[in-house]
Amino acid sequence: EDQVTQSPEALRLQEGESSSLNCSYTVSGLRGLFWYRQDPGKGPEFLFTLYSAGEEKEKERLKATLTKKESFLHITAPKPEDSATYLCAVRGSSNTGKLIFGQGTTLQVKP
Amino acid sequence: DVKVTQSSRYLVKRTGEKVFLECVQDMDHENMFWYRQDPGLGLRLIYFSYDVKMKEKGDIPEGYSVSREKKERFSLILESASTNQTSMYLCASSPLVIANEQFFGPGTRLTVL
Repeated sequence: EDQVTQSPEALRLQEGESSSLNCSYTVSGLRGLFWYRQDPGKGPEFLFTLYSAGEEKEKERLKATLTKKESFLHITAPKPEDSATYLCAVRGSSNTGKLIFGQGTTLQVKP
Repeated sequence: DVKVTQSSRYLVKRTGEKVFLECVQDMDHENMFWYRQDPGLGLRLIYFSYDVKMKEKGDIPEGYSVSREKKERFSLILESASTNQTSMYLCASSPLVIANEQFFGPGTRLTVL
């Protein structure tokens, strides 16, 4: 069964304190790994798609990486506006069109 | 930019009422999805649709139905609302069956009393 586990559940950082969020996955034939950002009371906002091990994508202070078993979302020198819940999702060959979501990591960055 | 809109941000209904949640996307996407999101349970897929008049059950379809009469519009129907359907409902769309990210609407916070 396809599965996604994110850790930690919650993370508190001081402004400027870099860290990483983890997304471990089990999937039959990975067709894509997706990172989303979700602010309270809003819908998820798409950040990145990764397709194969070794792939990396960057956007401002965020960098997503992918291995055969997990993905990391690295946050460099975070700012308070980076505070949000970060969701990871996968699409496998056995669930065409469907995404399997993790529970999310809620990040709080204090000034 | 892709835009997915949902008919209401907040909705309060009574037990037993029939509830319609509407979703519209403006990017000519083939695929549309309905999720519910609950604390500790994450996002769960209710129904999805690959084309007009086509629908497939997701992981938790019980108590829900859907309608897709036009490509841009996907409706979620609660035939007889119950308190355990109080949740945040999220609609999403994507351009292809395989791969490609889904784009989400702002969500509807439904409370059933």
